[in-house]
Amino acid sequence: EDQVTQSPEALRLQEGESSSLNCSYTVSGLRGLFWYRQDPGKGPEFLFTLYSAGEEKEKERLKATLTKKESFLHITAPKPEDSATYLCAVQNTGFQKLVFGTGTRLLVSP
Amino acid sequence: GAGVSQSPSNKVTEKGKDVELRCDPISGHTALYWYRQSLGQGLEFLIYFQGNSAPDKSGLPSDRFSAERTGGSVSTLTIQRTQQEDSAVYLCASSLGQRGSGFGPGTRLTVL
Repeated sequence: EDQVTQSPEALRLQEGESSSLNCSYTVSGLRGLFWYRQDPGKGPEFLFTLYSAGEEKEKERLKATLTKKESFLHITAPKPEDSATYLCAVQNTGFQKLVFGTGTRLLVSP
Repeated sequence: GAGVSQSPSNKVTEKGKDVELRCDPISGHTALYWYRQSLGQGLEFLIYFQGNSAPDKSGLPSDRFSAERTGGSVSTLTIQRTQQEDSAVYLCASSLGQRGSGFGPGTRLTVL
């Protein structure tokens, strides 16, 4: 069974304090690994898709990396507006559904 | 362009009643998904539609849950004889090809 585990559950940073969020996964065949951002009361917002180990993608202060067992979302010099829950999900080659982790709640204080 | 829309945004119902939740996907998106998100839990897959193919219903938790997609566009998720454990946020998403899905804002269902 495909599984996704995210850590930490919650993370509090000062503005400008860089850090990383972890997403560990097990999947029989990886079609893609997805990162989403979710603000309170809203649906998830798509950030990145990674397809193979070694791949990296960047968007503003966010950088996502992928290995065969985990993915990291690096946040460089975060700002308060980066505060949100970050969700990781995997898609198996045999299915279309996404299997989600429970997310990391990030709070960036000014 | 317009994103995924869902209605109603909130629904409060009594145990045992039936409810219908609606999703309008992004125009031209062939794939449509329903997920639900319970407090403190990850998104749980319910059902997937792709074009005219038979839907993947493997995530529906019981036969009280059903969904249809008319004309390859709008989808309705129906929950019959609602139970308190059905209380959750129901999210709809659509996509085209292998791009990341666009999610709607969700319908918050509360069963009293």
